[in-house]
Amino acid sequence: EVQLVESGGGLVQPGRSLRLSCAASGFTFDDYDMHWVRQAPGKGLEWVSGIAWNSGRIGYADSVKGRFTISRDSAKNSLYLQMNSLRAEDTALYYCARVGRGSGDYYFDYWGQGTLVTVSS
Amino acid sequence: QSALTQPPSASGSPGQSVTISCTGTSSDVGGYNYVSWYQHHPGKAPKLMIYEVSERPSGVPDRFSGSKSGNTASLTVSGLQAEDEADYYCSSYAGSNNVVFGGGTKLTVL
Repeated sequence: EVQLVESGGGLVQPGRSLRLSCAASGFTFDDYDMHWVRQAPGKGLEWVSGIAWNSGRIGYADSVKGRFTISRDSAKNSLYLQMNSLRAEDTALYYCARVGRGSGDYYFDYWGQGTLVTVSS
Repeated sequence: QSALTQPPSASGSPGQSVTISCTGTSSDVGGYNYVSWYQHHPGKAPKLMIYEVSERPSGVPDRFSGSKSGNTASLTVSGLQAEDEADYYCSSYAGSNNVVFGGGTKLTVL
Protein backbone atom coordinates (compact mmCIF):
# COMPACT_ATOMS: atom_id res chain seq x y z
CA GLU A 1 0.00 0.00 0.00
CA VAL A 2 1.34 3.40 -1.01
CA GLN A 3 1.80 5.68 2.00
CA LEU A 4 3.06 9.22 2.24
CA VAL A 5 3.49 10.62 5.74
CA GLU A 6 4.43 14.25 6.23
CA SER A 7 6.04 15.63 9.35
CA GLY A 8 7.93 18.68 10.58
CA GLY A 9 5.15 21.23 10.67
CA GLY A 10 4.51 23.52 13.60
CA LEU A 11 4.35 27.08 14.83
CA VAL A 12 7.26 29.26 13.71
CA GLN A 13 7.97 32.99 13.86
CA PRO A 14 8.19 35.07 10.70
CA GLY A 15 11.66 35.04 9.21
CA ARG A 16 12.58 31.69 10.75
CA SER A 17 13.09 28.33 9.06
CA LEU A 18 11.40 24.94 9.07
CA ARG A 19 12.12 21.65 7.34
CA LEU A 20 9.29 19.40 6.26
CA SER A 21 9.74 15.69 5.61
CA CYS A 22 7.65 13.16 3.73
CA ALA A 23 8.29 9.48 4.38
CA ALA A 24 7.31 7.28 1.44
CA SER A 25 6.54 3.58 1.53
CA GLY A 26 4.77 0.92 -0.49
CA PHE A 27 6.42 1.78 -3.81
CA THR A 28 9.85 2.22 -5.37
CA PHE A 29 10.57 5.78 -4.33
CA ASP A 30 13.45 6.19 -6.81
CA ASP A 31 11.08 5.68 -9.75
CA TYR A 32 8.78 8.61 -9.02
CA ASP A 33 8.82 12.39 -9.26
CA MET A 34 7.49 14.01 -6.09
CA HIS A 35 5.84 17.33 -5.31
CA TRP A 36 4.70 19.58 -2.47
CA VAL A 37 1.27 21.22 -2.59
CA ARG A 38 -0.18 23.47 0.10
CA GLN A 39 -3.56 24.78 1.17
CA ALA A 40 -3.82 27.95 3.22
CA PRO A 41 -6.77 28.20 5.64
CA GLY A 42 -9.95 28.84 3.69
CA LYS A 43 -8.07 28.89 0.38
CA GLY A 44 -7.53 26.53 -2.52
CA LEU A 45 -4.71 24.19 -3.41
CA GLU A 46 -1.43 25.80 -4.43
CA TRP A 47 1.46 23.96 -6.03
CA VAL A 48 4.72 24.68 -4.19
CA SER A 49 7.53 22.63 -5.69
CA GLY A 50 8.41 19.45 -7.53
CA ILE A 51 11.48 17.25 -8.00
CA ALA A 52 12.21 14.56 -10.55
CA TRP A 53 13.05 10.98 -9.57
CA ASN A 54 16.77 11.69 -10.04
CA SER A 55 16.64 15.31 -8.81
CA GLY A 56 17.43 16.34 -12.39
CA ARG A 57 14.35 18.53 -12.78
CA ILE A 58 13.21 20.89 -10.05
CA GLY A 59 10.55 23.58 -10.09
CA TYR A 60 9.25 26.16 -7.64
CA ALA A 61 6.23 28.40 -7.47
CA ASP A 62 7.15 32.08 -7.81
CA SER A 63 5.79 32.65 -4.32
CA VAL A 64 8.50 30.46 -2.73
CA LYS A 65 11.37 30.69 -5.22
CA GLY A 66 14.59 31.67 -3.49
CA ARG A 67 13.23 30.80 -0.04
CA PHE A 68 12.27 27.12 -0.27
CA THR A 69 14.44 24.20 -1.36
CA ILE A 70 13.12 20.77 -2.30
CA SER A 71 15.29 17.66 -2.02
CA ARG A 72 15.04 13.90 -1.71
CA ASP A 73 17.00 11.06 -0.16
CA SER A 74 16.61 7.68 -1.82
CA ALA A 75 18.38 5.88 1.03
CA LYS A 76 15.69 7.12 3.41
CA ASN A 77 12.80 7.05 0.92
CA SER A 78 12.09 10.61 1.90
CA LEU A 79 11.17 13.95 0.36
CA TYR A 80 12.05 17.23 2.03
CA LEU A 81 11.13 20.89 1.87
CA GLN A 82 13.50 23.36 3.49
CA MET A 83 11.58 26.55 4.14
CA ASN A 84 13.55 29.70 4.97
CA SER A 85 12.51 33.30 5.55
CA LEU A 86 8.99 32.18 6.37
CA ARG A 87 6.14 34.64 6.02
CA ALA A 88 2.63 34.74 7.42
CA GLU A 89 1.31 33.87 3.97
CA ASP A 90 3.19 30.56 4.08
CA THR A 91 0.76 29.39 6.75
CA ALA A 92 -0.88 26.32 5.26
CA LEU A 93 -1.37 22.58 5.33
CA TYR A 94 1.48 21.13 3.30
CA TYR A 95 0.87 17.94 1.34
CA CYS A 96 3.42 15.73 -0.32
CA ALA A 97 2.19 14.06 -3.49
CA ARG A 98 3.45 11.37 -5.83
CA VAL A 99 3.40 11.80 -9.59
CA GLY A 100 1.44 9.19 -11.45
CA ARG A 101 3.17 7.21 -14.17
CA GLY A 102 6.43 7.71 -12.32
CA SER A 103 8.22 10.49 -14.08
CA GLY A 104 7.71 13.16 -16.67
CA ASP A 105 4.04 13.63 -15.96
CA TYR A 106 2.28 16.18 -13.83
CA TYR A 107 -0.64 14.61 -12.06
CA PHE A 108 -0.67 13.35 -8.50
CA ASP A 109 -2.10 9.94 -7.80
CA TYR A 110 -1.25 9.65 -4.10
CA TRP A 111 -1.25 12.33 -1.44
CA GLY A 112 -0.28 12.40 2.21
CA GLN A 113 -2.55 13.72 4.94
CA GLY A 114 -0.55 16.91 5.26
CA THR A 115 1.45 18.71 7.95
CA LEU A 116 0.36 22.10 9.23
CA VAL A 117 2.72 25.05 9.18
CA THR A 118 1.72 28.18 11.07
CA VAL A 119 3.85 31.30 10.72
CA SER A 120 3.04 33.78 13.44
CA SER A 121 4.73 35.88 16.08
CA GLN B 1 2.19 31.55 -12.71
CA SER B 2 -1.38 32.78 -12.47
CA ALA B 3 -3.96 30.41 -11.06
CA LEU B 4 -6.32 28.76 -13.50
CA THR B 5 -9.85 30.17 -13.43
CA GLN B 6 -12.68 28.04 -12.09
CA PRO B 7 -16.20 29.08 -11.08
CA PRO B 8 -16.39 29.32 -7.28
CA SER B 9 -19.48 27.18 -7.13
CA ALA B 10 -21.61 24.73 -9.10
CA SER B 11 -24.68 22.76 -8.21
CA GLY B 12 -27.12 20.18 -9.46
CA SER B 13 -29.81 17.83 -8.27
CA PRO B 14 -29.23 14.12 -7.84
CA GLY B 15 -29.18 12.37 -11.19
CA GLN B 16 -28.40 15.54 -13.12
CA SER B 17 -25.15 16.45 -14.86
CA VAL B 18 -22.89 19.35 -14.02
CA THR B 19 -19.83 20.70 -15.82
CA ILE B 20 -17.03 22.62 -14.18
CA SER B 21 -14.76 24.74 -16.36
CA CYS B 22 -11.09 25.50 -15.92
CA THR B 23 -9.66 28.31 -18.00
CA GLY B 24 -5.99 28.96 -18.47
CA THR B 25 -3.74 30.16 -21.26
CA SER B 26 -1.75 28.76 -24.14
CA SER B 27 1.16 28.48 -21.69
CA ASP B 28 -0.60 25.95 -19.51
CA VAL B 29 -3.98 24.34 -20.28
CA GLY B 30 -3.83 25.12 -24.00
CA GLY B 31 -0.21 24.14 -24.42
CA TYR B 32 -0.12 20.70 -22.83
CA ASN B 33 -2.33 17.66 -22.37
CA TYR B 34 -1.38 17.55 -18.70
CA VAL B 35 -4.66 18.69 -17.19
CA SER B 36 -5.86 16.84 -14.11
CA TRP B 37 -8.79 17.12 -11.73
CA TYR B 38 -8.98 16.45 -8.01
CA GLN B 39 -11.86 15.93 -5.60
CA HIS B 40 -11.24 17.30 -2.12
CA HIS B 41 -13.38 16.66 0.90
CA PRO B 42 -12.44 18.87 3.87
CA GLY B 43 -10.03 17.14 6.23
CA LYS B 44 -9.08 14.48 3.72
CA ALA B 45 -6.33 14.17 1.15
CA PRO B 46 -7.26 15.27 -2.38
CA LYS B 47 -8.26 12.44 -4.71
CA LEU B 48 -7.26 12.19 -8.37
CA MET B 49 -10.34 11.99 -10.60
CA ILE B 50 -9.02 12.73 -14.11
CA TYR B 51 -5.52 12.96 -15.53
CA GLU B 52 -4.07 13.87 -18.93
CA VAL B 53 -7.28 15.75 -19.80
CA SER B 54 -9.62 12.78 -20.05
CA GLU B 55 -8.08 9.68 -18.52
CA ARG B 56 -9.82 8.17 -15.53
CA PRO B 57 -7.85 6.29 -12.84
CA SER B 58 -9.07 2.86 -11.89
CA GLY B 59 -11.72 3.04 -9.23
CA VAL B 60 -13.12 6.41 -10.32
CA PRO B 61 -16.71 6.04 -11.55
CA ASP B 62 -17.28 6.59 -15.26
CA ARG B 63 -19.74 9.29 -14.26
CA PHE B 64 -16.67 11.54 -14.17
CA SER B 65 -15.26 12.68 -17.49
CA GLY B 66 -12.84 15.32 -18.69
CA SER B 67 -12.27 17.25 -21.88
CA LYS B 68 -10.39 20.23 -23.25
CA SER B 69 -10.95 22.81 -25.95
CA GLY B 70 -8.31 25.45 -26.52
CA ASN B 71 -7.36 27.03 -23.22
CA THR B 72 -10.35 25.66 -21.31
CA ALA B 73 -10.65 22.25 -19.72
CA SER B 74 -13.86 20.82 -18.31
CA LEU B 75 -14.90 18.22 -15.78
CA THR B 76 -18.37 16.73 -16.21
CA VAL B 77 -20.08 14.78 -13.47
CA SER B 78 -23.07 12.83 -14.74
CA GLY B 79 -25.74 11.19 -12.62
CA LEU B 80 -24.91 13.37 -9.61
CA GLN B 81 -24.85 11.62 -6.27
CA ALA B 82 -24.79 13.06 -2.78
CA GLU B 83 -21.26 11.76 -2.26
CA ASP B 84 -20.03 13.90 -5.16
CA GLU B 85 -20.45 17.02 -3.05
CA ALA B 86 -16.92 18.32 -2.55
CA ASP B 87 -14.42 20.87 -3.74
CA TYR B 88 -12.95 20.22 -7.19
CA TYR B 89 -9.64 21.54 -8.43
CA CYS B 90 -8.08 21.47 -11.86
CA SER B 91 -4.36 21.63 -12.43
CA SER B 92 -2.10 21.89 -15.43
CA TYR B 93 1.54 21.71 -16.33
CA ALA B 94 2.74 25.23 -17.02
CA GLY B 95 6.18 24.62 -18.49
CA SER B 96 9.63 24.83 -16.91
CA ASN B 97 8.80 22.13 -14.38
CA ASN B 98 5.95 24.22 -12.95
CA VAL B 99 2.39 23.23 -12.13
CA VAL B 100 -0.58 25.52 -11.59
CA PHE B 101 -3.89 24.82 -9.86
CA GLY B 102 -7.28 26.39 -10.32
CA GLY B 103 -8.95 28.28 -7.51
CA GLY B 104 -11.37 25.45 -6.84
CA THR B 105 -15.10 24.90 -7.33
CA LYS B 106 -17.45 23.92 -4.55
CA LEU B 107 -19.92 21.41 -5.95
CA THR B 108 -23.24 21.24 -4.12
CA VAL B 109 -25.71 18.43 -4.67
CA LEU B 110 -29.12 19.96 -4.05
